[in-house]
Amino acid sequence: GAGVSQSPRYKVAKRGQDVALRCDPISGHVSLFWYQQALGQGPEFLTYFQNEAQLDKSGLPSDRFFAERPEGSVSTLKIQRTQQEDSAVYLCASSLGRSYNEQFFGPGTRLTVL
Amino acid sequence: DAKTTQPNSMESNEEEPVHLPCNHSTISGTDYIHWYRQLPSQGPEYVIHGLTSNVNNRMASLAIAEDRKSSTLILHRATLRDAAVYYCILYNPDNYGQNFVFGPGTRLSVLP
Repeated sequence: GAGVSQSPRYKVAKRGQDVALRCDPISGHVSLFWYQQALGQGPEFLTYFQNEAQLDKSGLPSDRFFAERPEGSVSTLKIQRTQQEDSAVYLCASSLGRSYNEQFFGPGTRLTVL
Repeated sequence: DAKTTQPNSMESNEEEPVHLPCNHSTISGTDYIHWYRQLPSQGPEYVIHGLTSNVNNRMASLAIAEDRKSSTLILHRATLRDAAVYYCILYNPDNYGQNFVFGPGTRLSVLP
């Protein structure tokens, strides 16, 4: 079956622009996670959804970062007024539930802020 | 969040076994040991996980020390496709506030 998909795969933004990154999780997966991965580092947790509810946003680095999952399936990560330090790969993962051990990751969106 | 320590990099020859170590001296009794790997330009993928006993699956084996303060991921016959960054993560699925904490991982190079 289809895995987790993300779009766009690559995004170049000028500093100050707003961007929106999309995640299509595996159908039926209750849990959805967003991670940020800087070059040469491991992924870092940003936020977690259970269905449409955002239950944990402790990893969001600033109030310029906003995520939503209004119908409990597709999720969008929005970054307002992008800064150069926002340049990273943004990964989405889904799982059957938070109590499940296996997360399925998408290929990521590489964001470059000029 | 409990921490893990892994070597930055390792090398292996193709078709030879690879033992990837992970230290987790502060592991709690309810933390599962997870391994994920990340191939170039891809998201991480699940490899294996365990709690106390050694585990085997089609991809790898996980050997867990008796005191659970360390573990080893074993790839029985490395292939070129196994070249990736391997992450060892501690995670308690029943701890609602806990999230995956990826360190820098071990970059495995496989030589032909």
